[in-house]
Amino acid sequence: GESVGLHLPTLSVQEGDNSIINCAYSNSASDYFIWYKQESGKGPQFIIDIRSNMDKRQGQRVTVLLNKTVKHLSLQIAATQPGDSAVYFCAEVYGGATNKLIFGTGTLLAVQP
Amino acid sequence: DTAVSQTPKYLVTQMGNDKSIKCEQNLGHDTMYWYKQDSKKFLKIMFSYNNKELIINETVPNRFSPKSPDKAHLNLHINSLELGDSAVYFCASSLQGAEEQYFGPGTRLTVT
Repeated sequence: GESVGLHLPTLSVQEGDNSIINCAYSNSASDYFIWYKQESGKGPQFIIDIRSNMDKRQGQRVTVLLNKTVKHLSLQIAATQPGDSAVYFCAEVYGGATNKLIFGTGTLLAVQP
Repeated sequence: DTAVSQTPKYLVTQMGNDKSIKCEQNLGHDTMYWYKQDSKKFLKIMFSYNNKELIINETVPNRFSPKSPDKAHLNLHINSLELGDSAVYFCASSLQGAEEQYFGPGTRLTVT
C-alpha cells in the first residue's frame, strides 16, 4: 500500500481510545491554523481550524489546542474509529498579503480494531 | 456534484515529454492553487491564482506554467518532464485567501 517505505511519524491507537496528534509550527506571526485529514489515495480534507486569538476549539469528536508560547498545535480525536485512519497535517497560514498555507510533515494515525 | 475535479488521475510519461493537468472547481471560489506532494507526503504550494491573476509563485522551475482561463479552471502545464517531477499534484480552491481550502483528488504523475 501507500505506507510501504514511508517513514512518517506514526501514532497507533486502539479503536475507542482517544488520539492526540501533535504539531510544531514555525512562524510566530502565523494567525490561523488548520488541521487536514488525508485518506489513502485522496486529497486532504479540512477537519477544523483555529485562529491565533483562541487556545481551544471543539468540533464533532475533535478538539484543537493552540499554545502560541511554544508554537505548538494539537488535534485530539475522541473515541477513535477505524475510519479515522489517515495522515493528519497541521497547516499554518502565513505571508501577509499573499497568504499561503504551509503544511507540516504529517502524522499517520493507524487505528487497530 | 464534485467540488474540485482534476484530470487525469494518473499520468505516466517519459522524460522530456510535455504534459498538462487540468483542474476545475464548481464551488464559485475566487482562489485556486496547485500543490505538489512528494513521496514522503510533504505538501508544498506551487502556485495560487485569484480571479485569474497569479498571486503566489513559489520557487518552481519555469518548466511549470499554470494557466487560468477563468476563475473556475486552473491548469498546469509541464515542459521537458524530469524524473524528479514524479509526485502527486493537487489542485485546491478557496473562497478567498488561504483559508479553508478544498482539495481535488490528485493527479499521480510518474516520469520514467
